[in-house]
Amino acid sequence: TQLLEQSPQFLSIQEGENLTVYCNSSSVFSSLQWYRQEPGEGPVLLVTVVTGGEVKKLKRLTFQFGDARKDSSLHITAAQPGDTGLYLCAGGEGYSSASKIIFGSGTRLSIRP
Amino acid sequence: NAGVTQTPKFQVLKTGQSMTLQCAQDMNHNSMYWYRQDPGMGLRLIYYSASEGTTDKGEVPNGYNVSRLNKREFSLRLESAAPSQTSVYFCASSERGTANYGYTFGSGTRLTVV
Repeated sequence: TQLLEQSPQFLSIQEGENLTVYCNSSSVFSSLQWYRQEPGEGPVLLVTVVTGGEVKKLKRLTFQFGDARKDSSLHITAAQPGDTGLYLCAGGEGYSSASKIIFGSGTRLSIRP
Repeated sequence: NAGVTQTPKFQVLKTGQSMTLQCAQDMNHNSMYWYRQDPGMGLRLIYYSASEGTTDKGEVPNGYNVSRLNKREFSLRLESAAPSQTSVYFCASSERGTANYGYTFGSGTRLTVV
């Protein structure tokens, strides 16, 4: 069974600071996805990266897929209170029509005004 | 802008009762999934349907059954609820089964078994 470990589990920082969340595994994934979940809602897809070394930017969020496709990071620049939420990484387990994704346990981020 | 719709949003069951969680998507997606989310454990896959007419077990299928009624609807049934099934349940769909396509999630069903 493939496992995804996220760190840190909890992070509370001041508005305007930068932060990085990590997602690590010993397994190779076909893709890596990042989701954000707010209380009482389902996760919402932020980005999918599929190529080793790939970097994608979404406004102040930068996502990177490791060269070996075993890990990923999410960097937020100048964090804002609206960034508060649970961030989940998810790894793709293959390319077949029945392939699935597995989720990390999440990083709970709190941005203080 | 419906996306994935789950009903009910909240439910309290007594141990041994049965119920069906409903899920429908209006995006013409082929694949559908049922997850449960427990504190500190992320999302764990219960059952999935890669395409209409097929269903397969995920990581934690015991105590659950599913039905892919048609391309739009995928239901999850608890035949005899147990306190260990207290959780938040999410339905998700994906355009195709391949893991490189992102999932669209419903807003969840919060189930308490007493």
